[in-house]
Amino acid sequence: GDQVEQSPSALSLHEGTGSALRCNFTTTMRAVQWFRKNSRGSLINLFYLASGTKENGRLKSAFDSKERYSTLHIRDAQLEDSGTYFCAAEAMSNYNVLYFGSGTKLTVEP
Amino acid sequence: NSKVIQTPRYLVKGQGQKAKMRCIPEKGHPVVFWYQQNKNNEFKFLINFQNQEVLQQIDMTEKRFSAECPSNSPCSLEIQSSEAGDSALYLCASSWTGGNNQAPLFGEGTRLSVL
Repeated sequence: GDQVEQSPSALSLHEGTGSALRCNFTTTMRAVQWFRKNSRGSLINLFYLASGTKENGRLKSAFDSKERYSTLHIRDAQLEDSGTYFCAAEAMSNYNVLYFGSGTKLTVEP
Repeated sequence: NSKVIQTPRYLVKGQGQKAKMRCIPEKGHPVVFWYQQNKNNEFKFLINFQNQEVLQQIDMTEKRFSAECPSNSPCSLEIQSSEAGDSALYLCASSWTGGNNQAPLFGEGTRLSVL
């Protein structure tokens, strides 16, 4: 939606390298969630943050509500990390409706 | 393993037909959301409920969809007269009420194809 701008739209990485995805928000959000879409099209929850940072294996996410952005860092990328990643931000006062980014298609190459 | 159960997984309808999908939210979650994800990966919020009451819905939902979340029964979302543009993945999510810092849980979706 218009409230969330996700970048880049596509990203290509070589195995073992890393990069970051970013979502900027046009308004203050309560929390952010990062997903990966699996081969069946289902959304796999990666992180949910109301503030600060969280790390899980080779993934790390940060959320700054005041500065209105969130990032997802991937390090030591593996072939199986390929897929489409989405951020979704939870509106502060809109019954917790999620506003989704447009997605980042990540391709990890040997 | 998703704790939000959506059925059917796939749904094929002709234009003008009704299309109904169901969602069993995570046990105890009072809030249920429906989202539509189109082929361009664009998500659209459709409607949400707290217990059996509608909290918010977009204009399209109000005009063309019928949705409910009865107590002790699955939630449902029904398109009254399907159109080609309704072909999409319909995602149900459930959560606690706002401010408790817990992520909403998503089902695997119902993929609707309108021929």
